[in-house]
Amino acid sequence: QKEVEQNSGPLSVPEGAIASLNCTYSDRGSQSFFWYRQYSGKSPELIMSIYSNGDKEDGRFTAQLNKASQYVSLLIRDSQPSDSATYLCAVPIYNFNKFYFGSGTKLNVKP
Amino acid sequence: GAVVSQHPSWVICKSGTSVKIECRSLDFQATTMFWYRQFPKQSLMLMATSNEGSKATYEQGVEKDKFLINHASLTLSTLTVTSAHPEDSSFYICSARSAQETQYFGPGTRLLVL
Repeated sequence: QKEVEQNSGPLSVPEGAIASLNCTYSDRGSQSFFWYRQYSGKSPELIMSIYSNGDKEDGRFTAQLNKASQYVSLLIRDSQPSDSATYLCAVPIYNFNKFYFGSGTKLNVKP
Repeated sequence: GAVVSQHPSWVICKSGTSVKIECRSLDFQATTMFWYRQFPKQSLMLMATSNEGSKATYEQGVEKDKFLINHASLTLSTLTVTSAHPEDSSFYICSARSAQETQYFGPGTRLLVL
């Protein structure tokens, strides 16, 4: 079992819809979770982090964390074609000296 | 947000030469920096973790004598690809860990070895 797992996609949604990206992790002791966006040919950029169970909203993005189920998700409301990218889930371990990344979910937002 | 720079952004070199890539945290001090490699349409692959003032920790399968990492200050880490060969051509990305325990990525360096 991989430390962090994501569905590779591609996930296709129409413009204006809600895109739901999911991530599961294996270490029940994990406390922090990060979502990154990577456009093709570019490096990852941080979207948001979440530390507590529940929802955390930032603009059109909402991160959801359920530690009991070892599940973290990212919702993108009102999806735009510019949201088309690969979304990476990251979980730090070893006092943040290492981050495990999922393989990423490719999102396509169709106009 | 925190800014991490990399230099150069791209480099083309002849087989057998060495290439140095710099990674700088511009507005924060980073006790830990990470070096990744990414081949086209593949996932990020962690190469090594670099802690300021100490030797880097390399991932399994990464040759430490080929990929030399130096983290001499809290804002600068360098990766030197020694005796580069065409199979070393890749997208090299560094990241720096902030005091808030968040990892910020540099823009990456594209290396093409002819």
